[in-house]
Amino acid sequence: AQKVTQAQTEISVVEKEDVTLDCVYETRDTTYYLFWYKQPPSGELVFLIRRNSFDEQNEISGRYSWNFQKSTSSFNFTITASQVVDSAVYFCALLRFNGGSQGNLIFGKGTKLSVKP
Amino acid sequence: EPEVTQTPSHQVTQMGQEVILRCVPISNHLYFYWYRQILGQKVEFLVSFYNNEISEKSEIFDDQFSVERPDGSNFTLKIRSTKLEDSAMYFCASSKRVNEQFFGPGTRLTVL
Repeated sequence: AQKVTQAQTEISVVEKEDVTLDCVYETRDTTYYLFWYKQPPSGELVFLIRRNSFDEQNEISGRYSWNFQKSTSSFNFTITASQVVDSAVYFCALLRFNGGSQGNLIFGKGTKLSVKP
Repeated sequence: EPEVTQTPSHQVTQMGQEVILRCVPISNHLYFYWYRQILGQKVEFLVSFYNNEISEKSEIFDDQFSVERPDGSNFTLKIRSTKLEDSAMYFCASSKRVNEQFFGPGTRLTVL
């Protein structure tokens, strides 16, 4: 079965601290995609990143970085020098293909990040 | 930049009433989806739609639910007889390729 586990339910940090959000996934597919989404208090889902299973290079985008390790089935997300505006729920998701030309996302339960000034 | 839009942003209805949630996917996208998020919980897949038919549905998507693409731009989710447990945020998504999904801002459905 395909599954995404975000073991950290809530994390609270003080501004400027670095924080890492963990994501562990399970799949038997050899080709798959992993995503991170941010859900601020306003409720929308903001796309952050997509990685495919063949690309294990770490990615950095400003204060955000992602560490994809197939050996441990993990796709962790680090925010460097956190800011109050980073406060949100962060979801990791796995794209599950339905055998045809379409797939659907399997989401983890999310990690609520609170950044205090 | 084109985006997925959803209306209304918030819908309040009485138990047993029918509701239709509307979505306008990005114009050149071919794949459409509905997801649901009960308050404080994870986002769950409901249904995917391609070439004017359902390509997959989850066990949540029972006979009370239906989807339709009535014209070239709208994609709707209908709940025939709402229950209290249908209260949730409903997200529409669309994509041009199978390995991406662009989400709308969501419709918050409250069933009283």
